[in-house]
Amino acid sequence: DAKTTQPNSMESNEEEPVHLPCNHSTISGTDYIHWYRQLPSQGPEYVIHGLTSNVNNRMASLAIAEDRKSSTLILHRATLRDAAVYYCILPGKIIFGKGTRLHILP
Amino acid sequence: NAGVMQNPRHLVRRRGQEARLRCSPMKGHSHVYWYRQLPEEGLKFMVYLQKENIIDESGMPKERFSAEFPKEGPSILRIQQVVRGDSAAYFCASSPIWTSGSNEQFFGPGTRLTVL
Repeated sequence: DAKTTQPNSMESNEEEPVHLPCNHSTISGTDYIHWYRQLPSQGPEYVIHGLTSNVNNRMASLAIAEDRKSSTLILHRATLRDAAVYYCILPGKIIFGKGTRLHILP
Repeated sequence: NAGVMQNPRHLVRRRGQEARLRCSPMKGHSHVYWYRQLPEEGLKFMVYLQKENIIDESGMPKERFSAEFPKEGPSILRIQQVVRGDSAAYFCASSPIWTSGSNEQFFGPGTRLTVL
């Protein structure tokens, strides 16, 4: 299974944009890139996914590099409720790494 | 449409007892996945089931752990003769089809197992 690499933690100020990076250099041509997040004491929740083109939804945007070896989850205006662990994964079994713990500073 | 339901939410067992964790997938979903999350760790895949079939159990410990998803009723994750190292949060997820592409998984709230 292809793997992903994310920073262990990041900080951002409230109401500012957040860019969460993910490397997936072994991605195959048909692998979608999924992002999930896990709020404290809750199960993971789906955020966004994409294949080649950049994607937007009500929660976030996903920017995918042209070679698809990396992607960036963009939270346009972070709030305290966005503090969570963010996982970048390539489906199959949906193998979760440790993700990026995002801290939002008020 | 109710989400994925898991019960109990919290389960306390003494060493050597059995733990049974239940998961009811979302309506219309026939694929169920179980994950385990140790404290301060990421989720680890355990098993993938369809109705009456185990598709992939490569993440399941070889002993004491079993899972089923019967034709009727919830999926069950059973842990026999629990040990303290089994203390963790166990999450269930469901999807309408095999998540190989664009279909996301929907997660339940988890069962937090504590072994005394």
